[in-house]
Amino acid sequence: DTEVTQTPKHLVMGMTNKKSLKCEQHMGHRAMYWYKQKAKKPPELMFVYSYEKLSINESVPSRFSPECPNSSLLNLHLHALQPEDSALYLCASSQPTGLAGGPLAKNIQYFGAGTRLSVL
Amino acid sequence: GDSVTQMEGPVTLSEEAFLTINCTYTATGYPSLFWYVQYPGEGLQLLLKATKADDKGSNKGFEATYRKETTSFHLEKGSVQVSDSAVYFCALDGGATNKLIFGTGTLLAVQP
Repeated sequence: DTEVTQTPKHLVMGMTNKKSLKCEQHMGHRAMYWYKQKAKKPPELMFVYSYEKLSINESVPSRFSPECPNSSLLNLHLHALQPEDSALYLCASSQPTGLAGGPLAKNIQYFGAGTRLSVL
Repeated sequence: GDSVTQMEGPVTLSEEAFLTINCTYTATGYPSLFWYVQYPGEGLQLLLKATKADDKGSNKGFEATYRKETTSFHLEKGSVQVSDSAVYFCALDGGATNKLIFGTGTLLAVQP
C-alpha cells in the first residue's frame, strides 16, 4: 500500500478564515512533506518533517503553520491567507534519505491527491 | 546546485505513436532519478525510478535508463494511448536534504 490520504479535496476560504489541511500515511515513513503547486508548474517544496521534527522550512510565510502530531499525520494550518496562495497543496511521504550522495541514497516520495485551495 | 532540465511541451502525439521525453540533470554524487506523472486534477504518481548508473526503470510500458555519461534519464514508450495524456515530471533526489529537484514538467496530449 503506497497511499497518502489528504483531506479535504477542495477548500474555499476567505482571507480572515482559519483552516487546516490534513495528511495521513500508514507506510511507516518517517519523512513527510508539504508542497505547493500552481497551475502548469512543478511542485514547490514548503516544509519537510523528519522523525516528526521540522527539518526544512523553505522560507514559507508564517500564515502557513505545519504540525506533525505523530509519525503518520501531518497538518498544515492556514490563517490570513492571500488570494495568491490559491493552489494545489500536496503532501508526500518517504523514508528519510540514507547515505548523503552515496549509492544507497534514495528519496522515493509518495504523493497524495492534494487539496485544491481557493482563497477569496 | 543540482538541477533537472526537461523538454518543453506540449507534446502532441497520435495514439500508438512512439514517445520520448528528454530529461538531463546536473548533480554531485550519485542521485536517484525519477519520473512522476500527474493526471488532470490529481496528485503526482511515481511512474518509475532508477537508483544507479545503467539502471533501467520501467512501469506500464514506460522505460527510462540512467545514463551517467550523458547525465540523462529520457522517458520512452513504444505505443502511447489516450489514457497516457498527463504531465510528466523528471526529478532527482537531492541527497541528504530529503529534497526532490523537479524539472518543469512536460504536458503530453495523445489524440485518438
